[in-house]
Amino acid sequence: GENVEQHPSTLSVQEGDSAVIKCTYSDSASNYFPWYKQELGKRPQLIIDIRSNVGEKKDQRIAVTLNKTAKHFSLHITETQPEDSAVYFCAASTGNTGKLIFGQGTTLQVKP
Amino acid sequence: GAGVSQSPRYKVTKRGQDVALRCDPISGHVSLYWYRQALGQGPEFLTYFNYEAQQDKSGLPNDRFSAERPEGSISTLTIQRTEQRDSAMYRCASSLAVGGPYEQYFGPGTRLTVT
Repeated sequence: GENVEQHPSTLSVQEGDSAVIKCTYSDSASNYFPWYKQELGKRPQLIIDIRSNVGEKKDQRIAVTLNKTAKHFSLHITETQPEDSAVYFCAASTGNTGKLIFGQGTTLQVKP
Repeated sequence: GAGVSQSPRYKVTKRGQDVALRCDPISGHVSLYWYRQALGQGPEFLTYFNYEAQQDKSGLPNDRFSAERPEGSISTLTIQRTEQRDSAMYRCASSLAVGGPYEQYFGPGTRLTVT
């Protein structure tokens, strides 16, 4: 079955710097890759997603890139702010089921 | 509009008891997913429904776990003869349509503690 690896497990940056979180997946048939942000005690919130027919997607300060050949996708946050501090999860889905396989999570700390 | 809701938000039960966890998806969402999330980990898939039909239950840990969605809206996840290892956050998510995948929106979860 699908397996998703996420790195790093923790990331600390200064306010204003960029942050990059990377994920790899095992199933070459995976076609949907969402990213969720989870604040302490809250539910996971979808922040951006990308489908396998697109290489890059951007929404204001966040962007996701996908390399299907390498089975690798990344989340990029620019001009980080303290409110970006949270746990971020990548996920992958295969076919049309919508079943999501999640990575282990990255705890991002943005220092003011 | 209203998001995904779950009840109860917290459930403490004694080992060996049965529990039923409820999920109310976003109105009109036809797909419903159950996940389990251990502390500090990503959600782990359990099962999902399109309308009232259970499509995949490969993630259910064992036969003490079952789920239903009889009218294609509210779903119930039932755990029989609970064990301490069942303690976790149980989350559901809903998605607008089938034939996707489409965005999934998560509920607040039910924190289950088995003593």
